[in-house]
Amino acid sequence: DGGITQSPKYLFRKEGQNVTLSCEQNLNHDAMYWYRQDPGQGLRLIYYSQIVNDFQKGDIAEGYSVSREKKESFPLTVTSAQKNPTAFYLCASKANYGYTFGSGTRLTVV
Amino acid sequence: SQKIEQNSEALNIQEGKTATLTCNYTNYSPAYLQWYRQDPGRGPVFLLLIRENEKEKRKERLKVTFDTTLKQSLFHITASQPADSATYLCALGVRNNDMRFGAGTRLTVKP
Repeated sequence: DGGITQSPKYLFRKEGQNVTLSCEQNLNHDAMYWYRQDPGQGLRLIYYSQIVNDFQKGDIAEGYSVSREKKESFPLTVTSAQKNPTAFYLCASKANYGYTFGSGTRLTVV
Repeated sequence: SQKIEQNSEALNIQEGKTATLTCNYTNYSPAYLQWYRQDPGRGPVFLLLIRENEKEKRKERLKVTFDTTLKQSLFHITASQPADSATYLCALGVRNNDMRFGAGTRLTVKP
């Protein structure tokens, strides 16, 4: 089945560490997105990519980085510069009718 | 400032009744509006899209209305079932195909 695979499902990060969240899609979609979800808030856009080798900052890009070397893959790195990284991270790709989301990665700082 | 407000954080209804969820927005001019369902610990799942020139859209037990004058969308689930219990998100399609999401309403349908 076509879809978006995010891994890992749960991730624990120590203070000062960089961690990378994986997002892979087999839907042949050009556009991919990373969102952050916190309790009581709407999804907030971190980065997006409309095409391979190109990406744009979203509303809350500080402390995050991405790459888009392949159409299928859009990994997100949470750097030590992100001061409050504990959240639920969602990757999505865009179809004509709407977004397809992955199952998310819950990141916790320990 | 720009805001998207979904009526309440939580809505409890009895099985068989119609659930009505509200999405109000301020200082946006969306070209379209979408509704998503999200179960705990999962990603949102797309349900319906309605464009600015459409007043109403239906899909099985779901109905969405879109009033660009009131800046409001209503999402109805008729003959609700416990399996409909989830969080429902509205999302506005704004400039450059950007999407803006509301915080969601958690619906609980009691047997």
